[in-house]
Amino acid sequence: AIRMTQSPSSFSASTGDRVTITCRASQDISNYLAWYQQKPGKAPKLLIYAASTLQSGVPSRFSGSGSGTDFTLTISCLQSEDFATYYCQQSYSYPRSFGQGTKLEIK
Amino acid sequence: QLQLQESGPGLVKPSETLSLTCTVSGGSISSSNYYWGWIRQPPGKGLEWIGSIYYSGSTYYNPSLKSRVTISVDTSKNQFSLKLSSVTAADTAVYYCTSTTDYGDLDYWGQGTLVTVSS
Repeated sequence: AIRMTQSPSSFSASTGDRVTITCRASQDISNYLAWYQQKPGKAPKLLIYAASTLQSGVPSRFSGSGSGTDFTLTISCLQSEDFATYYCQQSYSYPRSFGQGTKLEIK
Repeated sequence: QLQLQESGPGLVKPSETLSLTCTVSGGSISSSNYYWGWIRQPPGKGLEWIGSIYYSGSTYYNPSLKSRVTISVDTSKNQFSLKLSSVTAADTAVYYCTSTTDYGDLDYWGQGTLVTVSS
């Protein structure tokens, strides 16, 4: 099974900051990587698929990059509505797997 | 645009079978553009993939649950279902049904339903 590891697990930032979250796969997953945003009490929302393709309707301040084993999610200018938990997920092989999540909090 | 809605009991007794249904609207569950799946999230914890079912009927399950889980599709009702047998308190979670694109990302989610395992 492919293990997905996110870093950091949590951190604090301010509105307007540029933030980067990292996701590492335990083996090569090409670009079969998606990012989700989850707010308390809500279902996760797809932000990025195929490592770098922005899902329709997602603001352009979100971007993704990477291939192989190392991936990043960048938020270029944090807005108040971006404070949430973020998950990466690989779809290269079964069983599918998620990272443990990164909780982004207001500083 | 697809909409998914989970339904089923919110309380299940230990050793019994958890049964949930996901009703799909806004598209056909028989479409080759999607396949379908279940994700769960224990309170305060991360996301866990349970399994997926393709339009062909092929299924894939999380090995940690494989012996207890069954996912099936009812095309006449545009629904798919999850059964998880021999539940324990560790199965207490919010259960989400999802649609999955050919690339494997989960583009539509139900709102989630909390299932508590307790006597």
